[in-house]
Amino acid sequence: ETGVTQSPTHLIKTRGQQVTLRCSSQSGHNTVSWYQQALGQGPQFIFQYYREEENGRGNFPPRFSGLQFPNYSSELNVNALELDDSALYLCASSWQGASYEQYFGPGTRLTVT
Amino acid sequence: RKEVEQDPGPFNVPEGATVAFNCTYSNSASQSFFWYRQDCRKEPKLLMSVYSSGNEDGRFTAQLNRASQYISLLIRDSKLSDSATYLCVVKPGGYQKVTFGTGTKLQVIP
Repeated sequence: ETGVTQSPTHLIKTRGQQVTLRCSSQSGHNTVSWYQQALGQGPQFIFQYYREEENGRGNFPPRFSGLQFPNYSSELNVNALELDDSALYLCASSWQGASYEQYFGPGTRLTVT
Repeated sequence: RKEVEQDPGPFNVPEGATVAFNCTYSNSASQSFFWYRQDCRKEPKLLMSVYSSGNEDGRFTAQLNRASQYISLLIRDSKLSDSATYLCVVKPGGYQKVTFGTGTKLQVIP
């Protein structure tokens, strides 16, 4: 096990609602990245947080936002949910050093109806 | 052209076979490369980093070809437990986004 945890495991929301997903990073890691993985696709980078600041963002609209807390845990917030937001949401923690190896949590499976 | 491209497969190989996957990338400034393994409906797990000189971990060998902008993964003596999707990951220098390929599915057959 990587030591990265995510909650909840599964979630069902309706279109237009808002959702908050949570991630606790592996001990000693200071960076959290969030990914969206649709069925049959590779994970798509949403954004990364390093020392409580957003530090890189993929091609996702502003309704995807996040936070990182002093203990390096993180939240992903998605407003105005759309059907296409249905996916597995993964967080990965890492130490922002040369190797940059990331370790993933088990993911939150979000279904938007 | 996609930033990172992989043959989606599936690759169906018998137990004991050797199989190789390639992954091409478009950003010549990419500096870090990884292979991840993902089992069905599970999270990706780091398999190995890919170093410029090539590296080996048991039955797995990773190679990097910067001139042609591809990385490869070789699996020798395939086991049934190797059945999974293999994702290549490319990262530019600095704190920039990491890009995953779509993955190559491997099915090892008894």
